[in-house]
Formats: sequence, structure tokens, C-alpha cells
Amino acid sequence: EIVMTQSPATLSVSPGERATLSCRASQSVSRFSAWYQQKPGQAPRLLIYDASTRATGTPARFSGSGSGTEFTLTISSLQSEDFAVYYCQQHSTWPRTFGQGTKVEIK
Amino acid sequence: EVQLVESGGGLVQPGGSLRLSCTASGFTFSDHWMHWVRQVSGKGLEWVSRINTDGTYTHHAESVKGRFTISRDNAKDTLYLQMDSLRAEDTAVYYCILERHSGDYWGQGTPVTVSS
Repeated sequence: EIVMTQSPATLSVSPGERATLSCRASQSVSRFSAWYQQKPGQAPRLLIYDASTRATGTPARFSGSGSGTEFTLTISSLQSEDFAVYYCQQHSTWPRTFGQGTKVEIK
Repeated sequence: EVQLVESGGGLVQPGGSLRLSCTASGFTFSDHWMHWVRQVSGKGLEWVSRINTDGTYTHHAESVKGRFTISRDNAKDTLYLQMDSLRAEDTAVYYCILERHSGDYWGQGTPVTVSS
């Protein structure tokens, strides 16, 4: 199965700053990757799919990029509601697999 | 508006069984593949099972193969997960997922605890 590796595990950022999260796949997944946001006690919420397409309702400050094995989620200016755990996921092959998550915390 | 409502979770002893249900609304259920994903508390996400539109094709993760069975009733717009021979390591929140071209949609999840 494809292993998705996220870095860093924790990212400390001040409100208003830019955050960059990375995800690497153990083999090419083309552009079949997604990013999810999860807050405590809630289900994961889809932010980005097909590497760079914002899901309905995703604010424009979230952007995704990459293809093949390297993917990036950028939050251009962190808002208070953005502090959460973010997961990348590949939907190229079964089983779909997730990264271990990056926690974005307040600096 | 798309809605997925999971039910059927709870506390069960090791070796026991549970059947999870996911009731769908707001879209044409029979047009979409459906999935189950689970999350151990505070930890990672694991894809469990998937089923095609008419239920003739199913696929399960190795960790649950032979113990879990995914099925669907398109007349009732409902997805199921029959879980047998449950183990402590199956303890997790189980999410129902709608697969679609505009990105997957997740339900809110139902918790399952396997403990004596």
C-alpha cells in the first residue's frame, strides 16, 4: 500500500502568518491527493481534492499544489479557526491511505 | 443538502458483533460508491471497506477481511457494516463516506468500543 508521510508533525504559527504543510507519497499518485482538516470531536472535513481543487466552502486562503509524490497545503494567513490537525490522503489506489497528520498550533 | 447519518455503534465484548448503518439523503444514493473509514481515538485514519453502486463488488482492508462485511440497500438509501468477531483493536469512530467527483463527503461518525 502507498504510505503518505506528512511533515512537520507539529507546526507552531502566529495568527496572520503563512503555514506550509507537506506530504510525500511512497510512490506516484498523480494528482489524486486530498487534504482534510479535523478539529477535536469533529469528523474530518475535506478542504482540497485532486491536489489543488478547493472543496465547496473551503476559504480561498487554503491552497493545494503538487503532483506525483510531493504535495503541499498552504494557508496564506492563519485565522483562529484554522488551528487544527490536517491530514493528507491519496485516492489513486486501494486502499486509500492517509498521512499521520500535522497539528497546526498557536505560537 | 447531502446528509450521512451513522448509527449502531456502542459497547460490545470481544468476540461480539455489531451492525453499523448509514442513512443517506440529499443525493441519489444508488449512483455512488460508498466507503467506511475508522479512526482510533486521537490517532490515524484507516480505510475499512468500500462497495460499488449496486452492491456487487466489495473490498475490505486486510485488518478486517473475513470479519467485516459491507453492504447496501439502495431502496432504503442505507449503507451497512456488519462487524463480527470484534477485537479490542477495532475500537474506533467509524465514518460513512460518499465518494463523488467533487470530493468525498463524510458523515459525523459513530463510536465503537470493544471491551470486556
